[in-house]
Amino acid sequence: EAEVAQSPRYKITEKSQAVAFWCDPISGHATLYWYRQILGQGPELLVQFQDESVVDDSQLPKDRFSAERLKGVDSTLKIQPAELGDSAMYLCASSLNPTNSPLHFGNGTRLTVT
Amino acid sequence: QQQVKQSPQSLIVQKGGISIINCAYENTAFDYFPWYQQFPGKGPALLIAIRPDVSEKKEGRFTISFNKSAKQFSLHIMDSQPGDSATYFCAGSQGNLIFGKGTKLSVKP
Repeated sequence: EAEVAQSPRYKITEKSQAVAFWCDPISGHATLYWYRQILGQGPELLVQFQDESVVDDSQLPKDRFSAERLKGVDSTLKIQPAELGDSAMYLCASSLNPTNSPLHFGNGTRLTVT
Repeated sequence: QQQVKQSPQSLIVQKGGISIINCAYENTAFDYFPWYQQFPGKGPALLIAIRPDVSEKKEGRFTISFNKSAKQFSLHIMDSQPGDSATYFCAGSQGNLIFGKGTKLSVKP
């Protein structure tokens, strides 16, 4: 079964450093999402892409977070500078289309900011 | 963001018992209500989903009951097994998924 690939699985970084996460969605999935999941809570949407275009980044802290999906396939989420409160699981998901087709999640990147 | 409120926060059930998790939503524009199952160290995986024109959907041991007038829906896991031990998230969507805070289910052998 096709999977959403994410790397790295774990990342430890110091406060004020830059960090980047990578996601490769399921082949053919035009819609890609980045979610943040704080321990003990549900995932919260950060940004949604349709192909290479951002369709929703209303919850993305744009002063420090950026996301791109240049060729409409894989995607990178960057944080600069990282803050202690950014410690969380960062999940990537993809779907065939944005209209309620099932989301397929990757296994996430666990970020710890020290 | 419109909230989805989920309860209980944690649940312990004996093997063979019925697990029930409840959710309430605020946004009447939601038109899709999925449940996700998440094991430690893994991403959430879609378990079962329902649309508001249906009051119940059953897939194997998993059933969603949906009450549109009360703006509530619930997940029932029949004959709960230790392998069902995981965190379960309900969600509502009118495009983007809004997740509840999750229920940690432990099924005791």
